[in-house]
Amino acid sequence: AQKITQTQPGMFVQEKEAVTLDCTYDTSDPSYGLFWYKQPSSGEMIFLIYQGSYDQQNATEGRYSLNFQKARKSANLVISASQLGDSAMYFCAMNWAGNNRKLIWGLGTSLAVNP
Amino acid sequence: DVKVTQSSRYLVKRTGEKVFLECVQDMDHENMFWYRQDPGLGLRLIYFSYDVKMKEKGDIPEGYSVSREKKERFSLILESASTNQTSMYLCASSLGAVPTYEQYFGPGTRLTVT
Repeated sequence: AQKITQTQPGMFVQEKEAVTLDCTYDTSDPSYGLFWYKQPSSGEMIFLIYQGSYDQQNATEGRYSLNFQKARKSANLVISASQLGDSAMYFCAMNWAGNNRKLIWGLGTSLAVNP
Repeated sequence: DVKVTQSSRYLVKRTGEKVFLECVQDMDHENMFWYRQDPGLGLRLIYFSYDVKMKEKGDIPEGYSVSREKKERFSLILESASTNQTSMYLCASSLGAVPTYEQYFGPGTRLTVT
């Protein structure tokens, strides 16, 4: 069965430093997609970045990059130059070819950026 | 920009009441979703719809029903609210069946059932 695991319930990082949030996944489907979302305290889920299983390069979006290691089934989010506004919950999610409309979700990681 | 709106940010209802949560998206998306979010349990899918009048149960449909009479609107109905349905409810939409399409979320409705 497909599964998403985020093993870090909470993380701290100093402002301006980089931080890596872990996500591992499990699926037997060779075609799948991995997503990262941010949820500030206001509650709205904000899409950050997407990585497809067949993408040759790691996805990047501004300060966000995805460290995709297919053999290890990991899709870690890297935030560079952390800002105070990055303090939020971060969720990893996945879909796959046999279920491409819906997402399954990890339990999230709470990130606190210290000034 | 895609906009997903939800009828209320905060709602307080009494046990046994019928509760309607409304969600509207303005980008002609095929898919719409209702999730509930509880601390330590992450996001759990209640129902989703891939077309008008079409619906599919998610992981926790018990105690809920949905309605999609128009493409842009997806309603979640609590037939008889109970205290264990106190939660944050999130609506989302996405374009189609292509797996690269991300879901766009509304601001959420924090429902308290007393």
